[in-house]
Amino acid sequence: DTGVSQDPRHKITKRGQNVTFRCDPISEHNRLYWYRQTLGQGPEFLTYFQNEAQLEKSRLLSDRFSAERPKGSFSTLEIQRTEQGDSAMYLCASSLHNANTGELFFGEGSRLTVL
Amino acid sequence: AQTVTQSQPEMSVQEAETVTLSCTYDTSESDYYLFWYKQPPSRQMILVIRQEAYKQQNATENRFSVNFQKAAKSFSLKISDSQLGDAAMYFCAYRDTGANSKLTFGKGITLSVRP
Repeated sequence: DTGVSQDPRHKITKRGQNVTFRCDPISEHNRLYWYRQTLGQGPEFLTYFQNEAQLEKSRLLSDRFSAERPKGSFSTLEIQRTEQGDSAMYLCASSLHNANTGELFFGEGSRLTVL
Repeated sequence: AQTVTQSQPEMSVQEAETVTLSCTYDTSESDYYLFWYKQPPSRQMILVIRQEAYKQQNATENRFSVNFQKAAKSFSLKISDSQLGDAAMYFCAYRDTGANSKLTFGKGITLSVRP
């Protein structure tokens, strides 16, 4: 396992369409996070899972956004009825709960462009 | 809520010279983690250095070191002997040690290295 992987790396869609991103964390990591990063800004927290349980959701996560981690392994982030303001890089990260380092390991991100 | 502030949007350094990137944060917690992450263009975010708040000794990783001032809530990153490969966005980040384990990021600083 070489790290956190995300798919697709780039997605261009028209406003109003639905998109789904997938994240495969480091295999032994039980925590998985989604962040959103717009150009020139720091990542903003969206949500995180411990195993299959979604433990926290940011107020940034409107009802058009839904995230799942059905078997406690990979996760999907779906955006329904996309808007131009959804254009951003969506970052996934994973970590091992109770690890002493506190570090999150990031994927390369999925860049969304909404036309 | 915890906040992280990086007030310098850009910095430039001559190759082989030393540069310091500034960060301040706000929290009511006494124990927490602080991080500097590096994000090269179009590549994934990687950890540069980590500091536990209960440790008085400043963390060091090869050419990278921090100046952690807990009372002042300041956490600066010093890069010595700057190399061309150090050019990237650098993000300061904060994380509680408790159950709420998400990272809170600053807006980042773009570091350029002049040959």
